[in-house]
Order: sequence, then C-alpha cells, then structure tokens
Amino acid sequence: DIEMTQSPSTLSASVGDRVTISCRASQYIDNWLAWYQQKPGRAPTLLIYGASNLQGGVPSRFSGSRSGTDFTLTISSLQPDDFATYYCQHYNGYPWTFGQGTKVEIK
Amino acid sequence: QVTLRESGPALVRPTQTLTLTCTFSGFSLATRGMCVSWIRQPPGKALEWLARIDWDDDKHYLRSLKTRLTISKDTSRNQVVLTMTNMDSVDTGTYYCARSVAAGGNFFFDSWGQGALVTVSS
Repeated sequence: DIEMTQSPSTLSASVGDRVTISCRASQYIDNWLAWYQQKPGRAPTLLIYGASNLQGGVPSRFSGSRSGTDFTLTISSLQPDDFATYYCQHYNGYPWTFGQGTKVEIK
Repeated sequence: QVTLRESGPALVRPTQTLTLTCTFSGFSLATRGMCVSWIRQPPGKALEWLARIDWDDDKHYLRSLKTRLTISKDTSRNQVVLTMTNMDSVDTGTYYCARSVAAGGNFFFDSWGQGALVTVSS
C-alpha cells in the first residue's frame, strides 16, 4: 500500500503568514493527489485535486504543487477561516490512503 | 446541488453488525462515472477509506477489512448501504459517505456527508 506522510503534524502560524504543508508518497503517484480541509466536528472539504487544480469555490490563496513524490499545499496569506486540519489523499490505485493530517493552529 | 447524508445507529455492541445508509441527491448512481465511498475517522485520528461502489455495481474494499465489509446500492432510492460485521471498540468513529466522479481516473471526493458517529461499546 502507498503510505502518505505529512509534515509537520502541527503548525502554529499567524493571520497573514505564508503556510506550507508537505505530503510525501511512499511511491510514485504521478499527480493523483488531493488535499482536504477539515474543521472540528465537520466533514472534510476538497481543496485541491490533481496535485495542483483548485476546486471550484476554493479561495485562490490555496495552491498545490508537486516535485517527484513530494507534494505541497501552500496558503499564501493565512486567514482566520483557515485554521483547521489538512489531509492529503492519493488515488493512484487501491487502497486510497490519506496522510495523518496537519493541524494549523493560531500562534 | 449534491448532498449526502449518513444514517444508522449511534451505538453498536461488540460483535454486532453495523448497517449504515447513505442517502444522496443531486446525482444518480445510474450515471456513468459516479461512485460512492465510505470513509471513517476514529476520534482524533486520520481518515481511512473503507469501500467504494460504482455506477456499474463494481465494488472495491480496503483489503484489511474486506471480509467484514459489504457495500451495496439501491439506485432507485438513491442510497448506498455499508455493512460491517463483528464490530469492535476500535471501529468507533465517524463514518462518512462521499462521492467521486471517475472521469479520467480522478477518484477524489468532491462531496461528503456530514458524518455519522458510531460508538462500539457494551
């Protein structure tokens, strides 16, 4: 199975900060990667698919990129609504697996 | 507008069978490319994909739970049902159903239900 490793587990940041979250796949997955945001007590919502494609309605401050098997979610200017947990997920063959999550906290 | 909603028991006894229903609207599982998955999340932990059913009734399961899981659909009622046998305390968590659209291999989840919390306890 493909393992997705996110870092850091927790990130403390301030409003206006540029934030980057990393996700590494244990093997090649091309661009078959999605990013989700989850707030406490809520279902995840899709942010990015295909490693870098912004889902409709998602603010443009979110972006995704890939280098080999390393993926990055970037928030260009952190907003109060962005404090949440973020998950990556690959969909390159079964089973689809998620990273362990990165919690973005208020500094 | 696509919506999904999970329903089922909040409390299940150990060794019992869990049956969860996902009722959806805004799309049809009779439409080519439509898929519905079940994903769970233990309290404070990460997400885990469990099973998927496709428009053509193709089914996929998490290998480690395959013997305990059954996924089925009722296209006319816009429902997907997941059963999980021999429930244990480690199965406690929130169970989500989510849609994916299999266009070009894009099996990401673009719509999610609000989740159903299932506690396994005697």
